[in-house]
Amino acid sequence: AQSVTQLGSHVSVSEGALVLLRCNYSSSVPPYLFWYVQYPNQGLQLLLKYTSAATLVKGINGFEAEFKKSETSFHLTKPSAHMSDAAEYFCAVSGNNDYKLSFGAGTTVTVRA
Amino acid sequence: DAGVIQSPRHEVTEMGQEVTLRCKPISGHNSLFWYRQTMMRGLELLIYFNNNVPIDDSGMPEDRFSAKMPNASFSTLKIQPSEPRDSAVYFCASSLRTGRKIEAFFGQGTRLTVV
Repeated sequence: AQSVTQLGSHVSVSEGALVLLRCNYSSSVPPYLFWYVQYPNQGLQLLLKYTSAATLVKGINGFEAEFKKSETSFHLTKPSAHMSDAAEYFCAVSGNNDYKLSFGAGTTVTVRA
Repeated sequence: DAGVIQSPRHEVTEMGQEVTLRCKPISGHNSLFWYRQTMMRGLELLIYFNNNVPIDDSGMPEDRFSAKMPNASFSTLKIQPSEPRDSAVYFCASSLRTGRKIEAFFGQGTRLTVV
């Protein structure tokens, strides 16, 4: 079964600094991969997804993620953090042959002024 | 489309009562998921359906939990009897997969408090 592991439950960055959130997947076949963001007391909003097209995926709010098969990774980055990026971020995976959508434990991002 | 619609948004009930959470997926989506989110356990997949058929319910915590999807536009998650430890935010998500195209969207959640 496919799964994802998010490294680091909390990340603190300064405003304007690089945001890097790590996600590694476990799958024998490259799966579908997603990043979601959850703001306090809200639902999950899709940031971006990988579906085996381009390995560098651009999403909303200036985020992007790169699929690296050799590293089984799908790390999320944003060049310059904004105060509004403070939220919880989830990496998720869905397999090629099943429809299950499974999530990592989440990473909480705080942005320092 | 209005997105995934969940109701109610908030539910407060007494221990022992039956609770029913509702979800209307995005029209045309062929998979539906129920998740539970708590501080202690994070986001847990409870059950998911494909074409209205339950595929994997291994995440359903106990027999007190049941889920149905009578048609492509409606699903329910029922807890009977409810217990304080069921207090959580319950999310419904729906997805569409056609070939290599896939999309998955979440509802706003139902915050359940069992007192």
